[in-house]
Parts: sequence; C-alpha cells; structure tokens
Amino acid sequence: AQRVTQPEKLLSVFKGAPVELKCNYSYSGSPELFWYVQYSRQRLQLLLRHISRESIKGFTADLNKGETSFHLKKPFAQEEDSAMYYCALRGAGGFKTIFGAGTRLFVKA
Amino acid sequence: DAGVIQSPRHEVTEMGQEVTLRCKPISGHNSLFWYRQTMMRGLELLIYFNNNVPIDDSGMPEDRFSAKMPNASFSTLKIQPSEPRDSAVYFCASSPDGPEKLFFGSGTQLSVL
Repeated sequence: AQRVTQPEKLLSVFKGAPVELKCNYSYSGSPELFWYVQYSRQRLQLLLRHISRESIKGFTADLNKGETSFHLKKPFAQEEDSAMYYCALRGAGGFKTIFGAGTRLFVKA
Repeated sequence: DAGVIQSPRHEVTEMGQEVTLRCKPISGHNSLFWYRQTMMRGLELLIYFNNNVPIDDSGMPEDRFSAKMPNASFSTLKIQPSEPRDSAVYFCASSPDGPEKLFFGSGTQLSVL
C-alpha cells in the first residue's frame, strides 16, 4: 500500500539554523516524490520534485531508496520559510498522488 | 490563466443539509483530484478523475459523499447529508498528463454546525 509519513506535525527553529523536515514513504515500485508548500493565504504549490534534483529557495531533498526517505533540508532557515510543508508520492507513470499529514515549519526571529 | 477555480470559498451549513462544492480545472488538464485537509490527517485524497472518468474513489469516506465530472471543465463534490465531522478544507487540483505537478485551487472551507 502507498503511504507517506511525516512524523513531525510542528517544527520550530531559529532564523539561520539548519532545518530538516522528515518524510518516509511506503511503496512497492519506483515512486515519484514531491514536496509541496502552503504559505499563509496562498495556494498549495509545488516546491520541488526528486526527478529534478534541483534546489528551490535553498531547499534540497534527496531520495534515499534504501531508507525509503525523502527528507527536505535547508542549511539556513529564513522567516519567510514559515509555512505548511507536505511530502507527496505518486507511482511512476500513474496519476494518483497521496500526501503525508504535513509539517508546519515555524522560523523564529 | 486564473488557475483552478473553486466555489464557494466558504460554506457554513447545518447538519443534515446537502452541500455541493464546485471546481473548474485548468483548461487542457486531463486529471482532476479532490482532497480533504484536516489538522489531524493532513491532505487525504478522496477521488480522482482522468479524462472525466473516475479512476479511484477509494478515499471517499462514506456513501454520503459523491463526485461527478460531467465534462472536462467542471466537477462537483457533494455531501448529503452533511455531518459536523465533515468540517474541513476541501481542495480541488488538476494536472496535465505525464509526470506533472498538481495545480491546486484555493480550497473551500466547509463548516457543518
């Protein structure tokens, strides 16, 4: 069965501190992994996807198939990073996209 | 492009009433998804369509929930009768075919009293 687990509902860090939002998944096959972000009063939007291997707004995420993880990292958190972050999974070649429960990141000044 | 359009933005109703949520996907997108967002469970996939055909409705919680997509530019999610535990934000999203991202609407905040 497909499952996405985000163990932390809330993560609070100080500005300039490193941040890591955890995501683990369960899927029998080759998944596509995504991170979506929802800033206050904005729509849920894509932050990055593993196939792009890119850094967006200083965030990176590496797919670790051995640990079935796709943790989101940023070396120096900024106040504007405060938002709700969702890890998502889609089966390769499929349509169905499922999300984790989300982690609210709060960056303190 | 206005993106995915959902209506209404807010809905307050009494228990037992019928509720209809509406969604207009982005033109040209072949897939449409309905999600429910709650504090406890995050984003749950309720149902999704491809080329107007329901593909997977296993996430629909009960028979009280139904969804339709009569054409490529319109979908509805109906709850009848509504219950207080249905209170949540309901999101519609669309995407083109292929390994593409989802485009989300602004959501409908539903409160069932």
